[in-house]
Amino acid sequence: DQQVKQNSPSLSVQEGRISILNCDYTNSMFDYFLWYKKYPAEGPTFLISISSIKDKNEDGRFTVFLNKSAKHLSLHIVPSQPGDSAVYFCAAAKYNFNKFYFGSGTKLNVKP
Amino acid sequence: DTGVSQNPRHKITKRGQNVTFRCDPISEHNRLYWYRQTLGQGPEFLTYFQNEAQLEKSRLLSDRFSAERPKGSFSTLEIQRTEQGDSAMYLCASSLDGRQGGIYGYTFGSGTRLTVV
Repeated sequence: DQQVKQNSPSLSVQEGRISILNCDYTNSMFDYFLWYKKYPAEGPTFLISISSIKDKNEDGRFTVFLNKSAKHLSLHIVPSQPGDSAVYFCAAAKYNFNKFYFGSGTKLNVKP
Repeated sequence: DTGVSQNPRHKITKRGQNVTFRCDPISEHNRLYWYRQTLGQGPEFLTYFQNEAQLEKSRLLSDRFSAERPKGSFSTLEIQRTEQGDSAMYLCASSLDGRQGGIYGYTFGSGTRLTVV
């Protein structure tokens, strides 16, 4: 039972343009949402998070938007850079933070 | 501190053999997590420890799997009588506590890739 879904396995954008990665979830009990970035042969690294009481969180070039009514979140990267090429996972946790539920990932390719 | 360390990086084993992986978390982190990632999927939760206490186990963790964190520092994950379906990347992560991990994310290791032949 996949509670967090990323329906786009891959995304290709031109350097300097906006990258938008999407994520849907089914469990309304989720309280926190995170995005991780993963390079080959490395573990995932934390990128940005958002609480369920907010609808937007921004950190430099990265902005996460949360639409609770639609159970949807998105990650915007502006401007995209070739170094952003990686697999991006969204993840969700309930209030106790005992574990995260991960999506299947979106592979982003930023072309120079 | 050099982050979360996992050993070995790669393990190839024959079906039916036992394997053990080790994870050394960031020293001041009280929480330690094990996740498993198969090809094309995101990490799936296996189990977590608060200090030396194992507080939750996923139903994915069959009776062939056992994890320990004997002194609240490093952890081991053992798989007995390995099967081909156990082939995956096994990821260890740590966080200061649950809330810190939830808000600021875990620190993951680079993983141990298990191949069962």
